[in-house]
Amino acid sequence: QLVLTQAPSASASLGASVRLTCTLSSGHSSYAIAWHQQKPEEGPRYLMQLNSDGSHIRGDGVPARFSGSSSGSERYLTISTLQSEDEADYYCQTWGSGIRGLVFGGGTKLTVL
Amino acid sequence: EVQLVESGGGLVQPGGSLRLSCAASGFTVTRSYMSWVRQAPGKGLEFVSMIYRNGGIYHSDSVKGRFTISRDSSKGTVYLQMNSLRHEDAAIYYCARDLEGDYLIDYWGQGTLVIVSS
Repeated sequence: QLVLTQAPSASASLGASVRLTCTLSSGHSSYAIAWHQQKPEEGPRYLMQLNSDGSHIRGDGVPARFSGSSSGSERYLTISTLQSEDEADYYCQTWGSGIRGLVFGGGTKLTVL
Repeated sequence: EVQLVESGGGLVQPGGSLRLSCAASGFTVTRSYMSWVRQAPGKGLEFVSMIYRNGGIYHSDSVKGRFTISRDSSKGTVYLQMNSLRHEDAAIYYCARDLEGDYLIDYWGQGTLVIVSS
């Protein structure tokens, strides 16, 4: 069973950069994922698709400050030049190996200091 | 312009039923994988149900036998029929699209709230 692991929280200063991590469980290092952003009191928003080779495709209107990279079973979301409106929960998502449903990480709550 | 607009949420008693609707525009639902994802208060995102391009369906274990996903291609609408509702089904229910059929969501609706209470 595929599991996505995310740190529950992260913080960084206004104008700085932050890298969030999503770890795929053993045996699933080839999987692509999607990153989603959820601001307080809003629905989720698709940010990007991130492949195992680090190539990524941002969603419509997603700023270039949001980028993705990969290393082995880890998938990263890097946000550069942090702005106050980047304060949100960030979820990674893929599909369950052996089942036909979707799998979500537990989410990382990002605080912009 | 792509839009997903959910409706049908509300207050229902335990054991009751509710049907959620997701009206899609700007694309064809039968050419996408469409899912329902829910979020209980203060919790993370949880997959509920999916309908594939060929009409096949899949439900999570937590709702199997109680919920059914379906679609009306002529109306561009996806439905979630929820029966035998439990307190733990209370959540915001989001409709989501996977245009490429690669199991990666690429568009979300704004959600509809389901409250299960007597």
